[in-house]
Amino acid sequence: QVQLVQSGAEVKKPGSSVKVSCKASGGTFGFYGITWVRQAPGQGPEWLGGIIPVFGTVHYAQNLHGRVTITADESTSTAYMELSSLRSEDTAVYYCARDPSAVPRGSYFDYWGQGTLVTVSS
Amino acid sequence: DIQMTQSPSSLSASVGDRVTITCRASQSISTYLNWYQQKPGKAPKLLIYAAASLESGVSSRFRGSGSGTDFTLTISGLQPEDFATYYCQQSDSTPLTFGGGTKVEIK
Repeated sequence: QVQLVQSGAEVKKPGSSVKVSCKASGGTFGFYGITWVRQAPGQGPEWLGGIIPVFGTVHYAQNLHGRVTITADESTSTAYMELSSLRSEDTAVYYCARDPSAVPRGSYFDYWGQGTLVTVSS
Repeated sequence: DIQMTQSPSSLSASVGDRVTITCRASQSISTYLNWYQQKPGKAPKLLIYAAASLESGVSSRFRGSGSGTDFTLTISGLQPEDFATYYCQQSDSTPLTFGGGTKVEIK
């Protein structure tokens, strides 16, 4: 079955960057979207953006002001999310999820990674 | 951005109860509405997509309905494993947005 396995927890200093990986198995990686969602402590989920590897198309949440970069390596079935200029408000659990839709409209997320806790602290 | 408002934010119910959770969009989203269940320390789990389609493997106790701006998730015959937080999510336009959640607790 489909599995998404994310990299481990990170502790980062304000102003630095973090890169989280998401390795997929059990499905055809390139033909599905991979989306990234974060969840701050006690808050609801927040969509960060998504990628369709086979088309190379990427969509981002504009409120992150260009701080997030999402990429994918089809050869290793791995997607990446890099967040730069980290601040304390970026402390959250970051999830990747599979999106069967080829475009954001109509998206839904049927398989999820286990989550990666990113803590930003001086 | 499309704002998603869920009500109530929390509710107490007993095993066997029928529970209804409402989600309202700030503008029409047709049927581009999904529902997720989340338990503490776990990733969200897809229950319903496209407003009313039951995800494979999800109990038929869960039913979604609605279109336009008003949507409902109904859980019939609440089971112990259903106590969790539920989120709606719109996929009509980016940024994709989630509701604030409804926590279903044991009475």
